[in-house]
Amino acid sequence: SAVISQKPSRDICQRGTSLTIQCQVDSQVTMMFWYRQQPGQSLTLIATANQGSEATYESGFVIDKFPISRPNLTFSTLTVSNMSPEDSSIYLCSVKGGHGNTEAFFGQGTRLTVV
Amino acid sequence: AQKVTQAQTEISVVEKEDVTLDCVYETRDTTYYLFWYKQPPSGELVFLIRRNSFDEQNEISGRYSWNFQKSTSSFNFTITASQVVDSAVYFCAPLSGTYKYIFGTGTRLKVLA
Repeated sequence: SAVISQKPSRDICQRGTSLTIQCQVDSQVTMMFWYRQQPGQSLTLIATANQGSEATYESGFVIDKFPISRPNLTFSTLTVSNMSPEDSSIYLCSVKGGHGNTEAFFGQGTRLTVV
Repeated sequence: AQKVTQAQTEISVVEKEDVTLDCVYETRDTTYYLFWYKQPPSGELVFLIRRNSFDEQNEISGRYSWNFQKSTSSFNFTITASQVVDSAVYFCAPLSGTYKYIFGTGTRLKVLA
């Protein structure tokens, strides 16, 4: 299994500002994933981040709003830009591993509140 | 198109009762994996079980068991002798393709002492 550390674990931010979330994995992984979980909702994939290439964004998510960096095989950042109260969510970093490389392992999440 | 349905929004049981969480996955794919994840109040998602579409054998692991029936697209998860620590939101999450999980809407389980 993979151990994933996310920072910060929670934050309260003013609207119009930006927050960068860090994700550190204890092993090298090709793909890292960023999810959003709005209050009381399920998880939605924001983007897939591969080392050395641009992130691939899912429908409804754009790079200007959620820029992602992937400088090496163990680290990634997600920035939530120009925040509004609608961005208040839990943001989760994930990697794949385990048997057949099919299991998803998640960080503890970053609980963001925008006021 | 693929669709995951967790019809139970919230379930409350008394400690030591058995509880079954339902999940229906509709897809045209013949090969896929199905997962159950648990999200306790702390927020972290915890992997519970994985099942592939080839194997319809029901299995038991400790207090957990699962029942997969491809003919009805159902992948149900049972907790035997529930405990208060089982209180969490449970997500059914099929793996579509090689990397994309489709998370259901979740079932909130409350186990009362």
